[in-house]
Amino acid sequence: EIVLTQSPGTLSLSRGERAVLSCRANQSVDHNWLAWYQQGPGQPPRLLIFGASTRAAGIPDRFIGSGSGTDFTLTISRLESEDFAVYYCQQYAKSPYTFGQGTKLEIK
Amino acid sequence: QVHLQESGPGLVKPSETLSLTCTVSGGSISNNYWSWIRQSPGKGLEWIGYIYKTRTTNYNPSLRGRVTISVDKNQFSLELRSVTAADTAVYFCARERPSPAGLDYWGRGTLVTVSS
Repeated sequence: EIVLTQSPGTLSLSRGERAVLSCRANQSVDHNWLAWYQQGPGQPPRLLIFGASTRAAGIPDRFIGSGSGTDFTLTISRLESEDFAVYYCQQYAKSPYTFGQGTKLEIK
Repeated sequence: QVHLQESGPGLVKPSETLSLTCTVSGGSISNNYWSWIRQSPGKGLEWIGYIYKTRTTNYNPSLRGRVTISVDKNQFSLELRSVTAADTAVYFCARERPSPAGLDYWGRGTLVTVSS
């Protein structure tokens, strides 16, 4: 199965700063079928990005997905209060679908 | 607006069967992929499987043949047999469109505890 490794495990930043989250796969993700999710406390994951770089409906343009093959990045250009949460990547190119272990974005 | 709602027992005894239902409103159940995902502190998010067009299923091999997902009208269901404490988790149902684009709608999740 495709193993996704996210880094860093925790990222401490201030409002207004830029966040860069990494997701690395142990084999190429076909078609770049990789998604990013945001999860707040007690909430289900919320789809942010699919196809590595396409924003889901209603997602602000400060969320930017990039990358291909085995290396993917989620950039949040200017952090707002509601962005402090846990972020997961997920590949849906090959069964079984797999998720990364998550990056916790916390307020510095 | 698509809405998903999980329902089922919050407590299941070891070796018994965990059964959950996801009720879908606001969208067609026949033309999408419907998944179950679970989340436990020890294992993070784990995809359990999906059903598509009422009969095509795909399951995570890690569950070793213990899982069945089925559809009936505007609901889809999860059965997980021979549960152990390791199956304690928050269980989510979610939708994926046929043009693969990630899991775009999720239920709020339901906690299932396996304990005697």
